[in-house]
Amino acid sequence: NAGVTQTPKFRVLKTGQSMTLLCAQDMNHEYMYWYRQDPGMGLRLIHYSVGEGTTAKGEVPDGYNVSRLKKQNFLLGLESAAPSQTSVYFCASSQYRRPKDTQYFGPGTRLTVL
Amino acid sequence: AQKITQTQPGMFVQEKEAVTLDCTYDTSDPSYGLFWYKQPSSGEMIFLIYQGSYDQQNATEGRYSLNFQKARKSANLVISASQLGDSAMYFCAMREGTSGNQFYFGTGTSLTVIP
Repeated sequence: NAGVTQTPKFRVLKTGQSMTLLCAQDMNHEYMYWYRQDPGMGLRLIHYSVGEGTTAKGEVPDGYNVSRLKKQNFLLGLESAAPSQTSVYFCASSQYRRPKDTQYFGPGTRLTVL
Repeated sequence: AQKITQTQPGMFVQEKEAVTLDCTYDTSDPSYGLFWYKQPSSGEMIFLIYQGSYDQQNATEGRYSLNFQKARKSANLVISASQLGDSAMYFCAMREGTSGNQFYFGTGTSLTVIP
């Protein structure tokens, strides 16, 4: 039982390049999330999914796209990377969305855009 | 308005002493959950403790306890008998009942345990 995994762990991009971050969970959770963490700002929600085939915008969605073709996977795409997207990206999942349902986090992806 | 406020960017505590990390929240939803996470230097987010808005008693998990004062909208984390391994960033978070899709995180408190 690996929990939530993220691929890759580190990545360096040049401005304008594209890439996809992969999140996978083996807990059969319905809900999945992508966050970014910047110094002094805590975690901010980029996009989330409430089930296979569904996605929705979070607090800071601009410049990102997501897809959830399979229940266990949630992909985050950057079509044209910008230096402002340099950040640590966390994926998380939860079984339900009741107030008591904690989110389980992946180990994070450190992305640098030059 | 900020949903979660952590006003202590950094805290120091002597080993074996207790420390309180502050968290205040803002919501009009009567049903909500409050969480604390630990983020060590390795980067992963570790769930520590949960408090529900309807819970009558303060939550406890080993050396962690949550001082929940509903009227003041505060949910402070108390770590007893601090250990060197407690040095980390600590984040307070909230999930609301009606719009439970999103967790709101505070900006975190960096705790350093001094030997």
